[in-house]
Amino acid sequence: EAGVTQSPTHLIKTRGQQATLRCSPISGHTSVYWYQQALGLGLQFLLWYDEGEERNRGNFPPRFSGRQFPNYSSELNVNALELEDSALYLCASLSPPGYNQPQHFGDGTRLSIL
Amino acid sequence: AQSVSQHNHHVILSEAASLELGCNYSYGGTVNLFWYVQYPGQHLQLLLKYFSGDPLVKGIKGFEAEFIKSKFSFNLRKPSVQWSDTAEYFCAVSRIIQGAQKLVFGQGTRLTINP
Repeated sequence: EAGVTQSPTHLIKTRGQQATLRCSPISGHTSVYWYQQALGLGLQFLLWYDEGEERNRGNFPPRFSGRQFPNYSSELNVNALELEDSALYLCASLSPPGYNQPQHFGDGTRLSIL
Repeated sequence: AQSVSQHNHHVILSEAASLELGCNYSYGGTVNLFWYVQYPGQHLQLLLKYFSGDPLVKGIKGFEAEFIKSKFSFNLRKPSVQWSDTAEYFCAVSRIIQGAQKLVFGQGTRLTINP
């Protein structure tokens, strides 16, 4: 079974630009979670998509947004990039109905803001 | 607000030493508990999980964790660590919201094992 895949592996942007990160969940998984792993801050929950809808978001500004496609893959968009957005962005997927199941993580996209 | 606290940010041990990493959470309802491990350059992997039943949970690679409800704790243990256990360890707590899982992570503990 293929795991959660994320692309690109590394993304380099400058302040003010926009970044798009992609995630493909494990086949059969319908929930996708996005996390930010910044140095010294651990994993911070960003967004959760299930069945194509945004179900919840963490304490991040609106310039962090995303969507989930009919095939359950997901995009994370970050607008007006700031230096502090530099981090590893992790995607995780979960099989339905989500009870008592562990999340499966991708390798992440490292976003560097110059 | 629900939070997860890992008391140790960086732990350094020698091989064969015993390990205990602390994890406490603040949520009072029914929770599911996880420990994830992130080896250098690799993705997060599930180490073990607790949903119900025996509060002493055994995971992969000789790790175990004990859920103590009265202390809101889920500490990770290993009797004898190996150099290959060098990694970052994350405790996570989940609850069910609107029929699906919301996961909150602790800040992580970096474990360094000296050969």
